[in-house]
Amino acid sequence: EAGVAQSPRYKIIEKRQSVAFWCNPISGHATLYWYQQILGQGPKLLIQFQNNGVVDDSQLPKDRFSAERLKGVDSTLKIQPAKLEDSAVYLCASSSSSGRYNEQFFGPGTRLTVL
Amino acid sequence: DAKTTQPNSMESNEEEPVHLPCNHSTISGTDYIHWYRQLPSQGPEYVIHGLTSNVNNRMASLAIAEDRKSSTLILHRATLRDAAVYYCILPNTGNQFYFGTGTSLTVIP
Repeated sequence: EAGVAQSPRYKIIEKRQSVAFWCNPISGHATLYWYQQILGQGPKLLIQFQNNGVVDDSQLPKDRFSAERLKGVDSTLKIQPAKLEDSAVYLCASSSSSGRYNEQFFGPGTRLTVL
Repeated sequence: DAKTTQPNSMESNEEEPVHLPCNHSTISGTDYIHWYRQLPSQGPEYVIHGLTSNVNNRMASLAIAEDRKSSTLILHRATLRDAAVYYCILPNTGNQFYFGTGTSLTVIP
């Protein structure tokens, strides 16, 4: 079974530029999550989708971050404009449903460096 | 959200058992206990989870205290490949994870 795919793996941009990350979850997984992991910290949930609807985006800085999951499959996370403090690894995860017994499968992440 | 407390770091000798503790004194009756680990430069990966009874799989064992206020992840024979950050997580009703800082395990050859 193919895992969660993310691209690009690395991205370097200057502050105030825009950037987008792509995630392809495991086939058939209804729930998709985006996390931000700053160096030395655990991942922090940014947004959760159930199919193509947003379940929770309370931790998403909506003045600069946006995310969508068209057709309930792939998802994109965008930052516009980027700030220095956005430098982090952005992880995408998926699970078959949102039950608390469900395993989350994580992608390799996209490492963003903002200069 | 139910919170967990883990030691920041632990060390183990290679091929010896490792017991990684986690305290979750505010756990509710319906909270599952999940363990994930994150190897360097990789996304977190599932290790094991349980509700009330002890659990075993090919990677590890999970021992849950009778009052469920603590649990222990047991790696039976640590290898160098087990060096990682281990997270104890109690997902909320939407299966959302709060990771905390986890326990960084160092395996000594």
